[in-house]
Amino acid sequence: EPEVTQTPSHQVTQMGQEVILRCVPISNHLYFYWYRQILGQKVEFLVSFYNNEISEKSEIFDDQFSVERPDGSNFTLKIRSTKLEDSAMYFCASKMGRDTEAFFGQGTRLTVV
Amino acid sequence: QKEVEQNSGPLSVPEGAIASLNCTYSDRGSQSFFWYRQYSGKSPELIMFIYSNGDKEDGRFTAQLNKASQYVSLLIRDSQPSDSATYLCAATVTNFGNEKLTFGTGTRLTIIP
Repeated sequence: EPEVTQTPSHQVTQMGQEVILRCVPISNHLYFYWYRQILGQKVEFLVSFYNNEISEKSEIFDDQFSVERPDGSNFTLKIRSTKLEDSAMYFCASKMGRDTEAFFGQGTRLTVV
Repeated sequence: QKEVEQNSGPLSVPEGAIASLNCTYSDRGSQSFFWYRQYSGKSPELIMFIYSNGDKEDGRFTAQLNKASQYVSLLIRDSQPSDSATYLCAATVTNFGNEKLTFGTGTRLTIIP
């Protein structure tokens, strides 16, 4: 069964360093998302991506964040200068079309020290 | 702020009984609703989605939607210990044609053997 895959599963980084989180969405899906979940809190929307551009971003998604779909398969989230409060689980999700189900990857646990 | 509200629990149900999980949402424009199961430290796993008023059944799971009351529920029949998890309710929120999921805080369900 097709699935969304994310790498790495766990990343530890020093404050101020850049990190890139990688995702391979399901191949025939057109809509791509990043969500995050701080420990013990709800899953929060970060950004949506469609037709090779950002369609919506949340207040969390400031200038330190960027997304890219560099080729036909990968979808990346870059955090330029990490802060302690960026520590969270980051989930990539994809879906085929409007009003369809979104499928989540297994997540990347980012720890900023 | 468009919100999804859930009772955080914990909800304890004896094995074999029916577990009932509830959710309300604030955005009357939401058209699609999802129930995800999340085990500790793992990603959300889609178990049910519902778009139309009424009931939708899939195996031991029944989702119920009442758009007039802005209420979504999930029933789990013949509860098993493996059903012990946090159940996330999510609604699609549309902003200028762009869709994203808004999640509730989740209800922690424990099935007691």
